[in-house]
Amino acid sequence: TQLLEQSPQFLSIQEGENLTVYCNSSSVFSSLQWYRQEPGEGPVLLVTVVTGGEVKKLKRLTFQFGDARKDSSLHITAAQPGDTGLYLCAGARAGNMLTFGGGTRLMVKP
Amino acid sequence: NAGVTQTPKFRILKIGQSMTLQCTQDMNHNYMYWYRQDPGMGLKLIYYSVGAGITDKGEVPNGYNVSRSTTEDFPLRLELAAPSQTSVYFCASTYLTGGNTEAFFGQGTRLTVV
Repeated sequence: TQLLEQSPQFLSIQEGENLTVYCNSSSVFSSLQWYRQEPGEGPVLLVTVVTGGEVKKLKRLTFQFGDARKDSSLHITAAQPGDTGLYLCAGARAGNMLTFGGGTRLMVKP
Repeated sequence: NAGVTQTPKFRILKIGQSMTLQCTQDMNHNYMYWYRQDPGMGLKLIYYSVGAGITDKGEVPNGYNVSRSTTEDFPLRLELAAPSQTSVYFCASTYLTGGNTEAFFGQGTRLTVV
């Protein structure tokens, strides 16, 4: 059983569609990060959210941290083929190491 | 900046063989980590280190060993390779612990045990 559950596990959509990826837990985190991983590469940090209810935007990507700091979502508007990859959420509890979710594999078809 | 460098990128081992996965970082980070990533899955923490001379077990340490003699290097040792250790291994480093700091990853080592 993973501490962080991501859904959906796989998502295949057409270019221009919107999508939301979820990261849920029963534990409270001091902060939560989202990474994107492309084939053959290591994960790269997209954003860190630290305050309950916080919303951050990165171009077409919108990240939200739940009010109770137990969950987060990533929304992509007008997805493009370049958004294809594995999206990982990672949570940190005070003093502990990062715990990663199982990932959401996104494929955006042209 | 080189960041985090892992070698080798690919390796095939026979059951029972041993090998060392190398990891080095040039960012003077105190914290270093080894993760494994099974196909289509997230990352599981094998071992981590909070500084030279200090290591500790993560979520899945069995079958592995680490050492941290310098700040820069954090090698991962497999003593008796088993098929269950077929995976992609990632080394990472952070300036601080926890989530308020970016984790920098190497490009990974793809290991197959046959």
